[in-house]
Amino acid sequence: QLQLQGSGPGLVKPSETLSLTCTVSGGSVSSSHYYWGWIRQPPGKGLEWIGSISYSGSTYYNPSLKSRVTISVDTSRDQFSLQLSSVTAADTAVYFCARRTDLLSFDYWGQGTLVTVSS
Amino acid sequence: SYVLTQPPSVSVAPGQTARITCGGNNIGIKSVHWYQQKPGQAPVLVVYDDRDRPSGIPERFSGSNSGNTATLTISRVEAGDEADYYCQVWDSSSDCLVFGGGTKLTVL
Repeated sequence: QLQLQGSGPGLVKPSETLSLTCTVSGGSVSSSHYYWGWIRQPPGKGLEWIGSISYSGSTYYNPSLKSRVTISVDTSRDQFSLQLSSVTAADTAVYFCARRTDLLSFDYWGQGTLVTVSS
Repeated sequence: SYVLTQPPSVSVAPGQTARITCGGNNIGIKSVHWYQQKPGQAPVLVVYDDRDRPSGIPERFSGSNSGNTATLTISRVEAGDEADYYCQVWDSSSDCLVFGGGTKLTVL
């Protein structure tokens, strides 16, 4: 059974860079059929797509976040990562990692990591 | 950018049918996916590509999509269906994946 496990600091200071990693087990990030994505959810609010990456490193980013986002993949470790720069309190959210299918839906999700931006 | 509009809330009695809509400009030509999210949990895909169900999702969950509205239908609603539901599409014009604002389903 595929599992995704997100990890990273739960507290980030304003203006700094948020960094999270998602580790895939029970499968591989190297499959050509899938992309791997990050989605976030501010407390009490809805879902927002951040971006997605393929095993070969092809990326798609939400235009509203593109200037601050970098998503990378490490196939040797079956991991993919998110970096979000110049964070503010508005970036406080639960960050989910997920697998994106050929049909552009997310069929497997990690448990979510709460990241709070505060000094 | 493409906007998906969902009603904030839908209420239904147990055993009845819940219909949750997702409005978007000509959404009928897009592939729509639906997620169920319970408090403190990650979303779960319940319908993909307008009307298909992942394995393990009850047949009570069904979807349709035409014109400017996609609909998630939950038949014979149970207390355990109480959750937030989100629709999602890919907008090829902006290369952006879009979620609706979410609908809270309350089982009376």
